[in-house]
Amino acid sequence: EAGVVQSPRYKIIEKKQPVAFWCNPISGHNTLYWYLQNLGQGPELLIRYENEEAVDDSQLPKDRFSAERLKGVDSTLKIQPAELGDSAVYLCASSLAPGFGEQFFGPGTRLTVL
Amino acid sequence: QQQVKQSPQSLIVQKGGISIINCAYENTAFDYFPWYQQFPGKGPALLIAIRPDVSEKKEGRFTISFNKSAKQFSLHIMDSQPGDSATYFCAAQNSNSGYALNFGKGTSLLVTP
Repeated sequence: EAGVVQSPRYKIIEKKQPVAFWCNPISGHNTLYWYLQNLGQGPELLIRYENEEAVDDSQLPKDRFSAERLKGVDSTLKIQPAELGDSAVYLCASSLAPGFGEQFFGPGTRLTVL
Repeated sequence: QQQVKQSPQSLIVQKGGISIINCAYENTAFDYFPWYQQFPGKGPALLIAIRPDVSEKKEGRFTISFNKSAKQFSLHIMDSQPGDSATYFCAAQNSNSGYALNFGKGTSLLVTP
């Protein structure tokens, strides 16, 4: 069974440019999470989806970040415009249902903003 | 605010030794405590998890000890191997609301041959 797929794996952009990350969760997983992982830190939740509904986006900086999961399967996280401080790894995870045991993580997208 | 505090930040253990990583939390609503292992360039992967109705859980060389009254839990890696060298994160979750995993800052473990 395929795991959580993310692309691209690496992205280098200049500040003020837009960037988008894509995630395809494990088949059948209704819950999808986007986490931010700064260097030397643990992941921090940005947004959680239940099917196509964003049910927890309290930590998402809405002035520049947006996310969508239109058909309740794959998801896109966008930053516009990117700032130097956005350099980090963006992790996508999925689980069968909220609070239902294991969250499976993808390999992440490493973003570097110059 | 860091909801889960993890120590030490880094750890060096000889092959065959015991690695011990500690975590503490404040929110008594947390009811699920997983440990994740992360290798460079990879996403975190679940290693072992415990719920507060038990004080210990063992899976192979990995053991979680849980002290509900002290709000502390720890990971013990017995017979540590060079292949265990990775970053370990403890986490805590309230499975009745929120559902986000609240991670510690991580412990970088190096097991020397």
